[in-house]
Amino acid sequence: DAKTTQPPSMDCAEGRAANLPCNHSTISGNEYVYWYRQIHSQGPQYIIHGLKNNETNEMASLIITEDRKSSTLILPHATLRDTAVYYCIVRPQDQTGANNLFFGTGTRLTVIP
Amino acid sequence: EPEVTQTPSHQVTQMGQEVILRCVPISNHLYFYWYRQILGQKVEFLVSFYNNEISEKSEIFDDQFSVERPDGSNFTLKIRSTKLEDSAMYFCASTLEPYQETQYFGPGTRLLVL
Repeated sequence: DAKTTQPPSMDCAEGRAANLPCNHSTISGNEYVYWYRQIHSQGPQYIIHGLKNNETNEMASLIITEDRKSSTLILPHATLRDTAVYYCIVRPQDQTGANNLFFGTGTRLTVIP
Repeated sequence: EPEVTQTPSHQVTQMGQEVILRCVPISNHLYFYWYRQILGQKVEFLVSFYNNEISEKSEIFDDQFSVERPDGSNFTLKIRSTKLEDSAMYFCASTLEPYQETQYFGPGTRLLVL
């Protein structure tokens, strides 16, 4: 089962930052936080991942709280093409756990013109 | 940028028929996965495959399912006798290493069983 909790839906105005929260209060020390998104029944697309430090790439930023029990994905300037379902997934970094991804229900982000 | 490809994009079949879904993973990747997504539901893990054998499988992956890497590039999912409830999007994914590398997904095959 998914070990994360996300709001079912959010809206964001085009050009503004989209901040998507995720709770993972039972995360263990060897688990990464991954974010994927799925645009209208396409294959899930990797966005970013992190262990404990904040991360940034060309798509997004990931802010992980110091206790690692929650995180926020930030899309700095949302566009209409960012409308998608966003999944927060915790995943082990070694063989102590399964290497497949467990997808929850995610957050449906709608970017509004 | 290298990508995972899947064929066909859509397949319609009659209940009880066999179907084979095909995937070409990213060329230097070693670990391969199948997931499915029933319309309106979550993406669900089916099976992972490494070194020509199944490494993990879910409860969904019963005796009706099988996977194969028939050559150096293709990775297939076979459903022997399709049921109505097999109608779903099927996604293939691949990764270089199983844990610390991200999984890259294909565009999916939409299977409709009538």
